[in-house]
Amino acid sequence: NAGVTQTPKFQVLKTGQSMTLQCAQDMNHEYMSWYRQDPGMGLRLIHYSVGAGITDQGEVPNGYNVSRSTTEDFPLRLLSAAPSQTSVYFCASSRLREGTEAFFGQGTRLTVV
Amino acid sequence: GNSVTQMEGPVTLSEEAFLTINCTYTATGYPSLFWYVQYPGEGLQLLLKATKADDKGSNKGFEATYRKETTSFHLEKGSVQVSDSAVYFCALALVFNKFYFGSGTKLNVKP
Repeated sequence: NAGVTQTPKFQVLKTGQSMTLQCAQDMNHEYMSWYRQDPGMGLRLIHYSVGAGITDQGEVPNGYNVSRSTTEDFPLRLLSAAPSQTSVYFCASSRLREGTEAFFGQGTRLTVV
Repeated sequence: GNSVTQMEGPVTLSEEAFLTINCTYTATGYPSLFWYVQYPGEGLQLLLKATKADDKGSNKGFEATYRKETTSFHLEKGSVQVSDSAVYFCALALVFNKFYFGSGTKLNVKP
């Protein structure tokens, strides 16, 4: 009954450091996505994937990389962290069929100092 | 383009008051519409959805009707409780189930 699992829950980085946010789902969903949540701006799409080996950019992709080698996993990589990337990050998964529910992870609160 | 606009918060109500949170959308296609709720420190959870015009989604006393003519999906509840305090997000989904979210409306319910 895991659903979407994100790790870590909290992270503090120094400017210029790199790190990977992990996301895994056990529902065999084709579609996975990463969002960042900032005050007053809702959720903004960073990258998404419609299946293993297929990724595409969302609204705010700069500074982030993704890959999808398996159906289950969709890691988000910060190449060189900047204070502007301080945010709460959410991973979500769903079926490809429009109108089906998107399931969210618990979020990762990232602070870049 | 595709976007969702919802009323800014915070919205502060007394317990048992009537709630309306407005949501309007623009979409290049024919979207499905959703309301998600986020409790403090948690991820988003589906509250209700509607997939075609005139459909009404409902859950836990909340309702919203898909109005294509006004491109709206307003959230309503007849009598709010303190436990309803949360942030509410309106969203639309199009091809490949790609979601677009509004900015969220924080609801505070006072006893």
